[in-house]
Amino acid sequence: SAVISQKPSRDICQRGTSLTIQCQVDSQVTMMFWYRQQPGQSLTLIATANQGSEATYESGFVIDKFPISRPNLTFSTLTVSNMSPEDSSIYLCSTRDRGSFETQYFGPGTRLLVL
Amino acid sequence: GDSVTQMEGPVTLSEEAFLTINCTYTATGYPSLFWYVQYPGEGLQLLLKATKADDKGSNKGFEATYRKETTSFHLEKGSVQVSDSAVYFCALSDGGTSYGKLTFGQGTILTVHP
Repeated sequence: SAVISQKPSRDICQRGTSLTIQCQVDSQVTMMFWYRQQPGQSLTLIATANQGSEATYESGFVIDKFPISRPNLTFSTLTVSNMSPEDSSIYLCSTRDRGSFETQYFGPGTRLLVL
Repeated sequence: GDSVTQMEGPVTLSEEAFLTINCTYTATGYPSLFWYVQYPGEGLQLLLKATKADDKGSNKGFEATYRKETTSFHLEKGSVQVSDSAVYFCALSDGGTSYGKLTFGQGTILTVHP
């Protein structure tokens, strides 16, 4: 399984500012995923990021609010732009297992609080 | 679209009790099914999975069987420990899509008392 790290692990931000979350994988992977977990809620997929192409966003999420970069096969960033208190969530990145198409492994998450 | 429904929580048990967390799903194709666990303050860890009907996934004493006829994937453990206290998520991956999107249930909080 892939080992995934995220930075920062947590942050407290002011409304109207932006935060960029980094996700690093210990091996080369084709697809990376970004999820949001709002307080007490389940996980919702924000977007899928392939290296060398534009990210694919799920319904309800837009690039202007959540721009994603995927500069190489081991790294991705998610930016939460113009934040409001409603953006307070845990943001997790994940990637697929190389041997099993369906299985995803997750990073530890970034806990974001917007004041 | 695809959906996953878990039993309402939270669930509180005494140590060594039997655990069942119900999970049912709706999917158009032939999904793979998963249980993920989130320990306090941590990210998600894959607990077990099953990729086709009648498969049984197992790990750390937990088991779940893929039941196509009842569209269910209930999680069971014969004797829970305090260290099993966590949030458990049932999820499915739609094999019919090109990227295997994961759809999660709402999560079930399990608390085990000594």
